[in-house]
Amino acid sequence: AQSVTQLGSHVSVSEGALVLLRCNYSSSVPPYLFWYVQYPNQGLQLLLKYTSAATLVKGINGFEAEFKKSETSFHLTKPSAHMSDAAEYFCAVSEGTGRRALTFGSGTRLQVQP
Amino acid sequence: EPEVTQTPSHQVTQMGQEVILRCVPISNHLYFYWYRQILGQKVEFLVSFYNNEISEKSEIFDDQFSVERPDGSNFTLKIRSTKLEDSAMYFCASASDGGSSSPLHFGNGTRLTVT
Repeated sequence: AQSVTQLGSHVSVSEGALVLLRCNYSSSVPPYLFWYVQYPNQGLQLLLKYTSAATLVKGINGFEAEFKKSETSFHLTKPSAHMSDAAEYFCAVSEGTGRRALTFGSGTRLQVQP
Repeated sequence: EPEVTQTPSHQVTQMGQEVILRCVPISNHLYFYWYRQILGQKVEFLVSFYNNEISEKSEIFDDQFSVERPDGSNFTLKIRSTKLEDSAMYFCASASDGGSSSPLHFGNGTRLTVT
C-alpha cells in the first residue's frame, strides 16, 4: 500500500529565506510523486510531478523537488520565499501500476514572515 | 486555462437530507474523481469514474454515496442521507488519461456543512 508522510504540519520562514518542505513516501512499486498547493478558499493546484524521468523536478513559481529513492523522499524546496508562497502544500503518491488514485500527505502550512 | 468547476461553493444541509454536489470537469478529460477533506485532516480519496462506471472506491464510499455522469459535461456526487461526519470540503478532479503519472486537475471544492 502507498502512503505519504509530511514532516511538520507548520513551517514558518522569513521572506527571502530557503523553503524546505519534507515528504517521505512508501510504495510497493516505483511511485509517481506530486506536490500540490492549496491557497485559501481554493482547490489544489499542481506544483510539480515526478514520473521516473529526471530526479530533480522543476515546477511552477520557482519550486523544485528531488526524488531520492535511497531515502524514499521527495522534498520540496524554493531558494527564496515570497509572501505569496504562503499556502498549504500537499505531497501525494500514485503507484505506477494498478491503483490510480492519489494518496495525499497530511499537508504542511507554510507561513512567510516579512 | 481550462478549469474544473464545482457548485455550490458552500452547501448547508440538515442531517438525514440528501445532497448532490456538482462538478463540470475539463471538457476533454475522461477520468473523474471525488476527494474530501475534513477540516484539519488529510485529503482523502473517495471514488474514481471512467467510461460511465466506478473504477475504484475507498472504504469511505459506502452505500450512502453515489456518483453519476448524467450528461456529457456534469459529474455529480450524491450523499443519500447525510450525517454530521459528512461535513467536509469535497473536491472534484479530472484527468486526461488513466496513467498514474497523469496529474489530476482539481476544482475549488464544495464545503458541505451538515447540521
